[in-house]
Amino acid sequence: EAQVTQNPRYLITVTGKKLTVTCSQNMNHEYMSWYRQDPGLGLRQIYYSMNVEVTDKGDVPEGYKVSRKEKRNFPLILESPSPNQTSLYFCASSLVWSNGENEQFFGPGTRLTVL
Amino acid sequence: AQSVTQLDSHVSVSEGTPVLLRCNYSSSYSPSLFWYVQHPNKGLQLLLKYTSAATLVKGINGFEAEFKKSETSFHLTKPSAHMSDAAEYFCVVSDRGSGGSYIPTFGRGTSLIVHP
Repeated sequence: EAQVTQNPRYLITVTGKKLTVTCSQNMNHEYMSWYRQDPGLGLRQIYYSMNVEVTDKGDVPEGYKVSRKEKRNFPLILESPSPNQTSLYFCASSLVWSNGENEQFFGPGTRLTVL
Repeated sequence: AQSVTQLDSHVSVSEGTPVLLRCNYSSSYSPSLFWYVQHPNKGLQLLLKYTSAATLVKGINGFEAEFKKSETSFHLTKPSAHMSDAAEYFCVVSDRGSGGSYIPTFGRGTSLIVHP
C-alpha cells in the first residue's frame, strides 16, 4: 500500500530532551516536507526537501533540523525541544515539486507535547 | 508574496443542503490551488486541484471548485451535504517563492459541521 508513515504517533517529552520523529514514504517520491498544525493557524511548513541531500527552510524552521540521506526517509529532529513546539506534526511527500502542481500525500500525524 | 484567506472558520449546514466553503488568495504569478480535507484524527487528503487547465474543477465525493482569477477566489462547493463530509477543509496555494522553489501556503482551515 502506498503510504507515508510517521513514528511515533504520540510523544510526551520534557524540555531539552532531544527527540527525532521519523517519516518514511514508499512511493519513490522526490519531494518531502514537514508541517506543524496549530489551532487556528492551519499548517505551516517547517522544512522541505526537493531530493536526496537537498533541504531548505520553510516558514517556521527555528528549533528544528532535518536530513535527507535516503530518498524514502526524512526525519525531523528537535535538538532541544521547548513547550512552544507542542503541536501536531505532519510529514508529506510528492512525486516532484518543480512546478508545485502535484498532490502531496500526508502521513497520519505525530502529536507532540513538550512539558 | 502569496497568501490564502479562508473566509469562514466554521460553516454549519443541514444534511442534504448545499455546501459553500470560501477561499481567496493572493499571488504574484499563476498559482496552483488545492483543497484538502482532514477528517478527525487523520492526515490530509486531496479533494481537488487547479493547475491552469479548466477553471471548474471536479474532485472526489461530489465536491467541485471554480477558479475565478478576476475575484482571486477558489471556493469549494457541493450540492448536497452528507454527514460524512463533516471535517476540516484547507485551501492551499502553491506559487514560486523568492528563492525560485514553489512554496505551498495553507489557509487556516474551515470546519464543516453537518447537522442531521
